[in-house]
Amino acid sequence: GPKVLQIPSHQIIDMGQMVTLNCDPVSNHLYFYWYKQILGQQMEFLVNFYNGKVMEKSKLFKDQFSVERPDGSYFTLKIQPTALEDSAVYFCASSYFQNTLYFGAGTRLSVL
Amino acid sequence: GDKVKQSPSALSLQEGTNSALRCNFSIAATTVQWFLQNPRGSLMNLFYLVPGTKENGRLKSAFDSKESYSTLHIRDAQLEDSGTYFCAAGYNKLTFGKGTVLLVSP
Repeated sequence: GPKVLQIPSHQIIDMGQMVTLNCDPVSNHLYFYWYKQILGQQMEFLVNFYNGKVMEKSKLFKDQFSVERPDGSYFTLKIQPTALEDSAVYFCASSYFQNTLYFGAGTRLSVL
Repeated sequence: GDKVKQSPSALSLQEGTNSALRCNFSIAATTVQWFLQNPRGSLMNLFYLVPGTKENGRLKSAFDSKESYSTLHIRDAQLEDSGTYFCAAGYNKLTFGKGTVLLVSP
């Protein structure tokens, strides 16, 4: 089926540093999403993005978070600065319409 | 309380048997999606549902929006069905349940 690629699969950084998580969504998809999963818990919505703009974000999407998709390239999630509680697996997803979501394999972020 | 409640939280099946997973919603759900997360963490979309039923191979899912629940039936369980099954409700912003961990053994 359609593939969403996430790079890197694992990132380890020191608290306070900046990190950028990269997502290569399905090529003709129009809607993009980030979800956060803390180990052993359910996935939680962070943000969705369409037509170059954030449509909706949750309380988990702190001021330190930002997303963009410059010129149709990677859809990125940037965290600056990082905090210990940002340690989690971050999943990117995309969809053509606002229907079936296709998820990437996740980026495990470890903040030390 | 949980807006999307999944049951059971864990399930063990023998190969070849059948079972059903359930999601109850306390939010207004117009669509439901079911996902399987494999042990490596990858999520696979199994179904996207509006009210009604869908079938795909050994899997069948139903969504009743009036009674606010959805079910996922697994027929003739295989070892590769093992993983965590999540249901999620919502249109543009999915609310996930906590998942059902399924282990299929020989």
